[in-house]
Amino acid sequence: DAGVTQSPTHLIKTRGQQVTLRCSPKSGHDTVSWYQQALGQGPQFIFQYYEEEERQRGNFPDRFSGHQFPNYSSELNVNALLLGDSALYLCASSVSYEQYFGPGTRLTVT
Amino acid sequence: RKEVEQDPGPFNVPEGATVAFNCTYSNSASQSFFWYRQDCRKEPKLLMSVYSSGNEDGRFTAQLNRASQYISLLIRDSKLSDSATYLCVVPLNTDKLIFGTGTRLQVFP
Repeated sequence: DAGVTQSPTHLIKTRGQQVTLRCSPKSGHDTVSWYQQALGQGPQFIFQYYEEEERQRGNFPDRFSGHQFPNYSSELNVNALLLGDSALYLCASSVSYEQYFGPGTRLTVT
Repeated sequence: RKEVEQDPGPFNVPEGATVAFNCTYSNSASQSFFWYRQDCRKEPKLLMSVYSSGNEDGRFTAQLNRASQYISLLIRDSKLSDSATYLCVVPLNTDKLIFGTGTRLQVFP
């Protein structure tokens, strides 16, 4: 049984560019959450998708948007990248409170 | 008061020692709590769930004190492989997990 997968593993972008990160949930999970983890900090909730709709959102600007597909996989899009967007982006899937994380995508903005 | 607060450490302990981490939370309505373990540059992994007063799994014991709004994690007989960052997690609801900044544990021989 495959766990949560994310792609790509690493990414380097320039300020002002746009990026798309991808996530496939654990088999049987229908809910996907996205988190941003800066160095030395705990993960910060970005938003959650369920039934292809954004269910709840954290304190992130509109530059951060997402999508969930009928097969429950999800994308995170970030527009107009800033240096401060450099972080580990984690996807987690769940069916209840317990969330299981993918390996993350490490984004570096230069 | 922060939603979830942890002592960042690091806690440096010898193999075989017992170590305890505390975590305080502000949302008195929270019903369930989690401890995640995160190794350097890896994803967090669920270590323990706490739905009532406590939970025990081998060398690991989690306890919940609702009156004082804190959760603790006790690790007995520490192993070198226990070295990691331990994240306290409090759900605001089924959608949103609030993570503490983590407590770093280093077990030395």
